[in-house]
Amino acid sequence: EAGVTQFPSHSVIEKGQTVTLRCDPISGHDNLYWYRRVMGKEIKFLLHFVKESKQDESGMPNNRFLAERTGGTYSTLKVQPAELEDSGVYFCASSHFRGSTPGEQFFGPGTRLTVL
Amino acid sequence: AQTVTQSQPEMSVQEAETVTLSCTYDTSENNYYLFWYKQPPSRQMILVIRQEAYKQQNATENRFSVNFQKAAKSFSLKISDSQLGDTAMYFCAFMKRVGNAGNMLTFGGGTRLMVKP
Repeated sequence: EAGVTQFPSHSVIEKGQTVTLRCDPISGHDNLYWYRRVMGKEIKFLLHFVKESKQDESGMPNNRFLAERTGGTYSTLKVQPAELEDSGVYFCASSHFRGSTPGEQFFGPGTRLTVL
Repeated sequence: AQTVTQSQPEMSVQEAETVTLSCTYDTSENNYYLFWYKQPPSRQMILVIRQEAYKQQNATENRFSVNFQKAAKSFSLKISDSQLGDTAMYFCAFMKRVGNAGNMLTFGGGTRLMVKP
């Protein structure tokens, strides 16, 4: 079974440019999460999809960030325009419903974003 | 809002010895889960162990065990017989229970563990 994959693994862009990160969850996982770790700080939640619907987007920092999950499969996270403080590692995770307890979240390798 | 604190940014242990990583959390919730995740160098984060708050018995997974003290809001991870492959960043995480649905994780800052030969 393939794990969670993310593309690209690294991205270096200039301030003001646009970047789109992609996450492919494990097949069959309805839950998809985005997190990010800014240098030296904790991993922070960004948002949670259940299938194609946004269940919780309370962690999205501002309207420069747009996440989509068309068809309930892969997800994209677009940053437009990128700012210096957006630099960090963006993680995606997926899980499935598992009866009475939440399923384990499986993490992707992350995308390291550097904004110059 | 929940907070998770890992007070040890870095630790080291000799191979075959035992090490304990600390984690404390703050929450007003009564139903929740606690996790320890491991991220080896240049590799993906994986789940090490989980604990349901309503269970008094501490979770164990082979060489990994936790000491869950609900009243003290403490959740430490003990690694017995440390191996070189245990070298990694360890994250403590909290999840509020929301029915049967998945929910966001709140992470601590991480502890970098190095196992020395």
